[in-house]
Amino acid sequence: SAVISQKPSRDICQRGTSLTIQCQVDSQVTMMFWYRQQPGQSLTLIATANQGSEATYESGFVIDKFPISRPNLTFSTLTVSNMSPEDSSIYLCSVEDGGSMNTEAFFGQGTRLTVV
Amino acid sequence: GENVEQHPSTLSVQEGDSAVIKCTYSDSASNYFPWYKQELGKGPQLIIDIRSNVGEKKDQRIAVTLNKTAKHFSLHITETQPEDSAVYFCAVSSGNTGKLIFGQGTTLQVKP
Repeated sequence: SAVISQKPSRDICQRGTSLTIQCQVDSQVTMMFWYRQQPGQSLTLIATANQGSEATYESGFVIDKFPISRPNLTFSTLTVSNMSPEDSSIYLCSVEDGGSMNTEAFFGQGTRLTVV
Repeated sequence: GENVEQHPSTLSVQEGDSAVIKCTYSDSASNYFPWYKQELGKGPQLIIDIRSNVGEKKDQRIAVTLNKTAKHFSLHITETQPEDSAVYFCAVSSGNTGKLIFGQGTTLQVKP
């Protein structure tokens, strides 16, 4: 399975600032995703990171708040902009390995963000 | 859109007993059903999955069953061990989007 590295693993940030989270995969993957996991909750998809084009956002998530980049098939970033305490969550990068329909999805270790 | 319900929210069993977690989904087009285990401070780990053309899949102490007619699938863990204690999530995907819709999670506690 693909090995996924996320940076930073955790951070404490001041409200009003922005944080960029990096996701690096050890092999080329077709699909990359960003999820949010609020404290004690399940995972919610933020967006699909598309290589070379704008990300596709799910309902309730917008590009101005969560800009995403994916310059190549092994790397993506998620920025959490103008943060408020409600943004305190674990942010997870996920990849689909194999390139064909409905292959397994793997997750990074996550970035635990606390906004104060 | 797809809706995934997971039960129970918490489950406590004695070591050696079996544990069963159930999920129901709403979209009949869904065709991929993975289960993830999440330990404290870690990302979700894929433990088993099943596709819509299969009714049951087993991997050592873990099995998953799928009933497409009733739109539900279950995770079965036999001979539970304390290291099985974690939060378990079911998920559902349809088509080839790769997007997963997650259940609410089940906190499993295995008492030694």
